[in-house]
Amino acid sequence: DSGVTQTPKHLITATGQRVTLRCSPRSGDLSVYWYQQSLDQGLQFLIQYYNGEERAKGNILERFSAQQFPDLHSELNLSSLELGDSALYFCASSPQGTGGNEKLFFGSGTQLSVL
Amino acid sequence: AQSVTQPDIHITVSEGASLELRCNYSYGATPYLFWYVQSPGQGLQLLLKYFSGDTLVQGIKGFEAEFKRSQSSFNLRKPSVHWSDAAEYFCALNDYKLSFGAGTTVTVRA
Repeated sequence: DSGVTQTPKHLITATGQRVTLRCSPRSGDLSVYWYQQSLDQGLQFLIQYYNGEERAKGNILERFSAQQFPDLHSELNLSSLELGDSALYFCASSPQGTGGNEKLFFGSGTQLSVL
Repeated sequence: AQSVTQPDIHITVSEGASLELRCNYSYGATPYLFWYVQSPGQGLQLLLKYFSGDTLVQGIKGFEAEFKRSQSSFNLRKPSVHWSDAAEYFCALNDYKLSFGAGTTVTVRA
């Protein structure tokens, strides 16, 4: 158990809908990362937050947004969903979010299916 | 720009045989390199990491990896594979974000 909790584990929705994925980081970790894993794109970095502030942005679509709350949990909001958004979405956390040799701890992911 | 390449999409190995997974990277400075493993339905678990010092690093579950700067490689090895090692393995490079290779799926046959 990594200590990172993601809910829900599975989500099935329809095109055009909006969903929210939730992540609770390990106790004491200030940084949260979101990754998308799909068969065609592999593991893609979406966005990173540190102590409530956005720190780095990757290949995140404009239809997607995220935030980190004062209690350090994070939410990833996906709107106007398309079939191609079906993927496994991972959250990870780390103590400082400084990169380098800092270890990331991953949750077990949310499997999103858009029908 | 940083990048990680895993040339082998799928490897099949017999239980008890040795395993080597290849990883090549592109980075302008000394890289921070990681190997993660993903078992079916699970998140990613860190096997080992390299950032300086001894070029042969030991990890969990009997895995080791060797950093070779001259070849821009960070290959993962295990002397004797167990059936539970069947999983997907990802090499990653950490700059300000963790960039993953495409992954190598390992199948273990009895």
